[in-house]
Amino acid sequence: GAVVSQHPSWVICKSGTSVKIECRSLDFQATTMFWYRQFPKQSLMLMATSNEGSKATYEQGVEKDKFLINHASLTLSTLTVTSAHPEDSSFYICSARFPQGSWGANVLTFGAGSRLTVL
Amino acid sequence: KQEVTQIPAALSVPEGENLVLNCSFTDSAIYNLQWFRQDPGKGLTSLLLIQSSQREQTSGRLNASLDKSSGRSTLYIAASQPGDSATYLCAVKDDKVIFGPGTSLSVIP
Repeated sequence: GAVVSQHPSWVICKSGTSVKIECRSLDFQATTMFWYRQFPKQSLMLMATSNEGSKATYEQGVEKDKFLINHASLTLSTLTVTSAHPEDSSFYICSARFPQGSWGANVLTFGAGSRLTVL
Repeated sequence: KQEVTQIPAALSVPEGENLVLNCSFTDSAIYNLQWFRQDPGKGLTSLLLIQSSQREQTSGRLNASLDKSSGRSTLYIAASQPGDSATYLCAVKDDKVIFGPGTSLSVIP
């Protein structure tokens, strides 16, 4: 079945540094990937939609200059948390969608998530 | 704007009980609805996916139903086990995937 790999699983960084999280679709081409954030005991909130070869679309309230998204290939999207602060500590999860027109076009496959702790 | 709610927020049951988790959504124009399980500190495990044209899906002890017109879905868990303890999330897909807040389930041995 479709697999989405997310790396790293855990990351601890100092305040002010930048952290990059990778999301890869391992056995299918994902023209669209989605990034979610989950604070403790809360549900997943969509941050942005990443489209291959174009700029990401950010949800209201998400700072695009702070959360840089790059979708340079059909199998890789990256989320970079720039100048991270303790309030950015959260669980970040990506998901990938099969290409439009394919049987799974409306099904999302999720990565295992990346837990970011900013000291 | 699509909003998804889940009731109850938390549930504690003795082992062996059958239970029902509820999910409601405000806009019935969805492509599908998906139930996930999330263990503490972990990612999401997809349990069941119901397309908008379907009314239910079954997998083992799990059965999910969908009533799109009324904006409701239920997840039925039969003969609950301690290993079922987790947070259960429903998510609906229209042009985006919107998650509910989850139901935290604890099955007591």
